[in-house]
Amino acid sequence: GAVVSQHPSWVICKSGTSVKIECRSLDFQATTMFWYRQFPKQSLMLMATSNEGSKATYEQGVEKDKFLINHASLTLSTLTVTSAHPEDSSFYICSGLPGGSYGYTFGSGTRLTVV
Amino acid sequence: SQKIEQNSEALNIQEGKTATLTCNYTNYSPAYLQWYRQDPGRGPVFLLLIRENEKEKRKERLKVTFDTTLKQSLFHITASQPADSATYLCALYTGTASKLTFGTGTRLQVTL
Repeated sequence: GAVVSQHPSWVICKSGTSVKIECRSLDFQATTMFWYRQFPKQSLMLMATSNEGSKATYEQGVEKDKFLINHASLTLSTLTVTSAHPEDSSFYICSGLPGGSYGYTFGSGTRLTVV
Repeated sequence: SQKIEQNSEALNIQEGKTATLTCNYTNYSPAYLQWYRQDPGRGPVFLLLIRENEKEKRKERLKVTFDTTLKQSLFHITASQPADSATYLCALYTGTASKLTFGTGTRLQVTL
């Protein structure tokens, strides 16, 4: 089946630094990828939709200057959390929709801890 | 306001029984509804999709029903096993920019 590879699986960073998370679609091309955030015992909240070759679309309340998204190729989307603060600590997950499928394929997630 | 609610935070059942999970939504008109399984510290895994014009879908031990009048979907796992223990999420697709909106999730625990 389709695979989305997400790295790193976990990261600890100091407050004020930036962290980049990568998502690669390994066996399908993804013109669109979705970035979610999940706090403990809560559901997935869509942060933004990443579009290959164009600007990302952010959900209401998500700061686009803080969560930088780049989708430079059909197989790679990145999320950079800039000037991270402890409240940004969360589980970040990306997903893509393989062609011919209605089921979304998710990455394994990145646990970000800001200290 | 729009809401997607899933029944009870946790559901505990005995091995071999049928688990029934509920997904209720308000102020949505989904083109289809999906169910995902999520294990701790992992991303969700797609299980089943049911369209607005379908009443029931089955896949092995899984069965999903969809009632657009009641605005409810039921997810059944028959002959449940401890390996079925996980959090199950329902998600609505409304056709807007291919976005999925997820419910709150139900944690299922199957015991011996």
